Amino acid sequence: GENVEQHPSTLSVQEGDSAVIKCTYSDSASNYFPWYKQELGKRPQLIIDIRSNVGEKKDQRIAVTLNKTAKHFSLHITETQPEDSAVYFCAKLAGGSQGNLIFGKGTKLSVKP
Amino acid sequence: EPEVTQTPSHQVTQMGQEVILRCVPISNHLYFYWYRQILGQKVEFLVSFYNNEISEKSEIFDDQFSVERPDGSNFTLKIRSTKLEDSAMYFCASRADGQGAKTQYFGPGTRLLVL
Repeated sequence: GENVEQHPSTLSVQEGDSAVIKCTYSDSASNYFPWYKQELGKRPQLIIDIRSNVGEKKDQRIAVTLNKTAKHFSLHITETQPEDSAVYFCAKLAGGSQGNLIFGKGTKLSVKP
Repeated sequence: EPEVTQTPSHQVTQMGQEVILRCVPISNHLYFYWYRQILGQKVEFLVSFYNNEISEKSEIFDDQFSVERPDGSNFTLKIRSTKLEDSAMYFCASRADGQGAKTQYFGPGTRLLVL
């Protein structure tokens, strides 16, 4: 079945440094790739998404890049702050679906002050 | 800003019992989803619902599971005879209709514990 691989599983950075999380996928039919942030015990919240017709999207300190040829997409967080600490999930729209999201296994990001 | 709501926030039940998890999607949304997340693991798709019927379901969504939209606002997930391995956080999500409307908004979840 369709799968999304996400790396690393844990990431620890110093406040102010950048963090990069990478995901790869197998199905080429996907055209929508969201990223969700989940704080402990809370709901996943969309932080940024990208569609297959663009290669990069930026929103303040957060950016996402997409390489459809290589089937990978990445989340970049610059100038990290302690409140960025959370689990980040990449996801993709299942091919040919009504919007079912397939999630990666998550990256636990810790930003040390 | 409108949000998806879910009740209860926590549910403890005995193995073999039936549970019903409730969700109120965002009011003008037409696509509804249930996902589950076993503690420490990734979010997994269970079922999608559109136009009063199931549009897709995963292998997890077996005969023990059912969904219903009993009225114009609620969307429920029923587990007929719970098993220990059903213990998880269950998230409801909804999204608007339209080609460009791909964002799914998640509810706060119901933490289900089966003893």
